[in-house]
Amino acid sequence: RKEVEQDPGPFNVPEGATVAFNCTYSNSASQSFFWYRQDCRKEPKLLMSVYSSGNEDGRFTAQLNRASQYISLLIRDSKLSDSATYLCAVTFFGNEKLTFGTGTRLTIIP
Amino acid sequence: DAGVTQSPTHLIKTRGQQVTLRCSPKSGHDTVSWYQQALGQGPQFIFQYYEEEERQRGNFPDRFSGHQFPNYSSELNVNALLLGDSALYLCASSSYRVNEQFFGPGTRLTVL
Repeated sequence: RKEVEQDPGPFNVPEGATVAFNCTYSNSASQSFFWYRQDCRKEPKLLMSVYSSGNEDGRFTAQLNRASQYISLLIRDSKLSDSATYLCAVTFFGNEKLTFGTGTRLTIIP
Repeated sequence: DAGVTQSPTHLIKTRGQQVTLRCSPKSGHDTVSWYQQALGQGPQFIFQYYEEEERQRGNFPDRFSGHQFPNYSSELNVNALLLGDSALYLCASSSYRVNEQFFGPGTRLTVL
C-alpha cells in the first residue's frame, strides 16, 4: 500500500461548482499535512498547511481526519484559474521529508 | 525577497555522464531538500541538507550525492546517468524543523 494515495482524476468541473478531493495516508504517526498546487511543467506551490482544527483560506477549506487517516481539500465557486494538479503531502513524526501523493488533476470547464 | 532559485533550467545529457544541479534557498531559510519528479508522479524525496550535512536520505542510489555550502546553497550531483534519471529535479527550502517547504522552479533533466 502506498504511503499517501490520491485519486488521480481527472476531475472536470464546471466553473462555479464546488469540488472536493481526498487524500489518504497509511502511517498513523503522520505529523504534518499540506496541499500543494502544481501547474503544468511548473513547480509545486504551497496552497495550505492542514491543521487539526481544519483551516480555511478564501474559497479553499482543508480538513484533517486523523481517525480515518485522510485529509481533504474543498474548493468553492471554482474558477478557470483553479485548473491544476493538486498534490497532498505528509511528514511523519521525527522525519521532515515530504511524502507526496501522485496528485489529482482538476480542469475547470467554462 | 528572492524565492528559491535553481540552475540550470533545462539540461540534456547522455547515458553515463555526470550532472550537477544548483539551488539557492529562500532568504532566511537554512535547509535544502531535493526531490525528483517523474512525469505523472508526485515528487520523490532524494535527501535533505542542514548545516552542511546530509540529514535524511530517501531511497536513491549512491550515484546521487549532494553538498551544502556555508551560505546554505546546495548542489545535487548525479553520476553515471541512466535513461531513468530523466525527470524534473526540484529543490525545496525551509527553516530547520519547520515543515513548510517552498519549491524552486526545478531543473528538467533529459538523459539520452
